Amino acid sequence: AQTVTQSQPEMSVQEAETVTLSCTYDTSESDYYLFWYKQPPSRQMILVIRQEAYKQQNATENRFSVNFQKAAKSFSLKISDSQLGDAAMYFCAYLTYNQGGKLIFGQGTELSVKP
Amino acid sequence: DTEVTQTPKHLVMGMTNKKSLKCEQHMGHRAMYWYKQKAKKPPELMFVYSYEKLSINESVPSRFSPECPNSSLLNLHLHALQPEDSALYLCASSPQLAGSYNEQFFGPGTRLTVL
Repeated sequence: AQTVTQSQPEMSVQEAETVTLSCTYDTSESDYYLFWYKQPPSRQMILVIRQEAYKQQNATENRFSVNFQKAAKSFSLKISDSQLGDAAMYFCAYLTYNQGGKLIFGQGTELSVKP
Repeated sequence: DTEVTQTPKHLVMGMTNKKSLKCEQHMGHRAMYWYKQKAKKPPELMFVYSYEKLSINESVPSRFSPECPNSSLLNLHLHALQPEDSALYLCASSPQLAGSYNEQFFGPGTRLTVL
């Protein structure tokens, strides 16, 4: 069975600085997708970034980028120029290509941003 | 329309009550999901519907009864709940269950309190 591990329950970053959130996963599959979701205190879960396992190029979305290391089964999220609105719970999630529907989440990292 | 809506936002019910949660999307998605989320924990998958048919039931107690009347609407009927069922209930949808277009879009959730 696949597992997702986020080893940092809490992180803190100064506004305008850069922070990296860690995520590792365990799988024997070769085709899958990885996601980072953000859940602010308002509780709406928002997709931040997505990575297909077959793509070697790391995904980027504005200030958000990932470091995807397939062999190491690592999928970290880098937030550049942190803003107060980035404060939220961040969940790393794994989805198999063929097994429909079961999004496997890590335990989450709570990010606070200091002004 | 690129959102998933959920009603009500908050619900308080007694253990003998019957109530329903409603989820709607107009993105043409053919897969819909119910998740349960406790505070500061990741969402836990409850049910998955694909093309209006139940695809996954994660061994959820029968006091939770899902229904998918059409491709845009997903209900969760609640009966004889327990206080430990108090949680945030999230609905999500995705274009398909498997393959390339499987990104899940989440609704804002219903905060349920069982007295």
